[in-house]
Amino acid sequence: GDSVTQMEGPVTLSEEAFLTINCTYTATGYPSLFWYVQYPGEGLQLLLKATKADDKGSNKGFEATYRKETTSFHLEKGSVQVSDSAVYFCALSDGGNKLVFGAGTILRVKS
Amino acid sequence: GAVVSQHPSRVICKSGTSVKIECRSLDFQATTMFWYRQFPKKSLMLMATSNEGSKATYEQGVEKDKFLINHASLTLSTLTVTSAHPEDSSFYICSAREAGVETQYFGPGTRLLVL
Repeated sequence: GDSVTQMEGPVTLSEEAFLTINCTYTATGYPSLFWYVQYPGEGLQLLLKATKADDKGSNKGFEATYRKETTSFHLEKGSVQVSDSAVYFCALSDGGNKLVFGAGTILRVKS
Repeated sequence: GAVVSQHPSRVICKSGTSVKIECRSLDFQATTMFWYRQFPKKSLMLMATSNEGSKATYEQGVEKDKFLINHASLTLSTLTVTSAHPEDSSFYICSAREAGVETQYFGPGTRLLVL
């Protein structure tokens, strides 16, 4: 079945550092890909998404490009802030009902 | 944007009692709602999918008689944990989706602690 693999965390960075969180997927069709963020004590918020190959999703300085050839959707940000500390989830949807989530990556940004 | 609320945000109950969690879509009609369970430091696991006016579809391994789901209107779904036990303690999250829209919008979650 479909699956999502994320890099294990926690990822600890200093403020203004460059962030990459790797995400790869396995799917039989052509899924849509998502990044969700969960701040401490809160539910998930959609951060960005891409629905087809070579699409780039972007929001709040974060971006991710749908790479069909490498089945990847890595999350990047050029300069992280302390307020970006959260858990980041990569997910896919095959167009049906289900979202399949990765295990989540904890990001800690220190000032 | 699309807002989903959950109530209560946290609840503590005694073993053997039942607890009801509400999930509401505040500014859109949610034809489909989803219930997830999140274990500490783990990802979300889909428990069930409910379409308005229909019976919920449960994922394999989820006891339908223990986790009762009702989706009686386009803005409200409820999850009732019946005869709760300490192992049911978890973070329960709902999400909602409009017809024809792929994106799911998530509620803030409900932390359940069963003593």
